Amino acid sequence: AQSVSQHNHHVILSEAASLELGCNYSYGGTVNLFWYVQYPGQHLQLLLKYFSGDPLVKGIKGFEAEFIKSKFSFNLRKPSVQWSDTAEYFCAVNALVGDYGQNFVFGPGTRLSVLP
Amino acid sequence: DTGVSQDPRHKITKRGQNVTFRCDPISEHNRLYWYRQTLGQGPEFLTYFQNEAQLEKSRLLSDRFSAERPKGSFSTLEIQRTEQGDSAMYLCASSFRPYPTEAFFGQGTRLTVV
Repeated sequence: AQSVSQHNHHVILSEAASLELGCNYSYGGTVNLFWYVQYPGQHLQLLLKYFSGDPLVKGIKGFEAEFIKSKFSFNLRKPSVQWSDTAEYFCAVNALVGDYGQNFVFGPGTRLSVLP
Repeated sequence: DTGVSQDPRHKITKRGQNVTFRCDPISEHNRLYWYRQTLGQGPEFLTYFQNEAQLEKSRLLSDRFSAERPKGSFSTLEIQRTEQGDSAMYLCASSFRPYPTEAFFGQGTRLTVV
């Protein structure tokens, strides 16, 4: 079964600081990878996704992530965070088993607090 | 907005009562997923459907939980004989195709068992 771990439970940054959130997954086969964001009181929204091709993917609001297959990692980065980035961030994996995509497996989340 | 719709948004019930939640996926999405989320945790998989077929059910899911998607469109999640530990946010998501795909989430139904 797949699993996802996230390195940090809670990250606190000042505005304009750089961000990197770690994500590792366990599955040796083909996967799609995702970062979802949950702003306070809102539903989960897709931040970015990796299906195939260029391992460096860009998402909304200046976020990007890099897929490193050899490390089973999919870390999220942003060069300069804003107060509005305060939210919960979830890494997720969707594995291909046989000809079928499986369910989405989520990590425990990282809470990001950006201080103005 | 024709996103994923869940009803009700909030439900308070007494322990031992049965509850049913409804999810309307994005039109033409053939996959539908149910998750449970507690405070400070990531979404925990419950079950998913492809059209009307239930493809997988979490081994952690009690027999008190059952889900249906009778016509391959909307889905219902029923919890029988609710317990306080069932208090959580129940999330529904849908996707257009099996793979590769992304999941679109609804606002969730918050269940409080008193």
